[in-house]
Amino acid sequence: GAVVSQHPSRVICKSGTSVKIECRSLDFQATTMFWYRQFPKKSLMLMATSNEGSKATYEQGVEKDKFLINHASLTLSTLTVTSAHPEDSSFYICSARFDSEQFFGPGTRLTVL
Amino acid sequence: DQQVKQNSPSLSVQEGRISILNCDYTNSMFDYFLWYKKYPAEGPTFLISISSIKDKNEDGRFTVFLNKSAKHLSLHIVPSQPGDSAVYFCAASGGANNLFFGTGTRLTVIP
Repeated sequence: GAVVSQHPSRVICKSGTSVKIECRSLDFQATTMFWYRQFPKKSLMLMATSNEGSKATYEQGVEKDKFLINHASLTLSTLTVTSAHPEDSSFYICSARFDSEQFFGPGTRLTVL
Repeated sequence: DQQVKQNSPSLSVQEGRISILNCDYTNSMFDYFLWYKKYPAEGPTFLISISSIKDKNEDGRFTVFLNKSAKHLSLHIVPSQPGDSAVYFCAASGGANNLFFGTGTRLTVIP
């Protein structure tokens, strides 16, 4: 089956620093990748849709200057949380679209101190 | 505004019995529905899906039922096994890329 990886799986950073999270499709090419955020005991909320070679489409309420998304190739999308603050602490999950289905990565736990 | 709702945050079932997880949606444009299983600190894994042209889809121990008039779907797991213990999310889409997720139901199967 289609496999999606994320790196790192867990990151702890100081407030004010930037953190980059990578999402890779390992055995398929994905023109579209998605970034989700999950708060404790809450649903997964779509943050943005990442399209290879073009700008990401952000959902309402998501700051595009804070959550920078780059879909540099058909197998890699990155999410950079800039100037992270404690309220950005969350579980970030990416998914990649393949054959009309979405396959999810294992997620990245971000903790901002 | 939560377009997909799972009103039961948790469910406990004895091993061997049936688990029924429910999901309601509000957007009549949704035409494809999915169930995902999620373990803590992991991404969701796809379980089963159903198109709006069907009212039932079965895969092994898992069956999804769709009632379009009631905007309701349910996931039946029978027989339930301890390894089924996880959080289950239902999700819906309406032709666009977006998946709208419910808030999840934590299923505990008691041995």
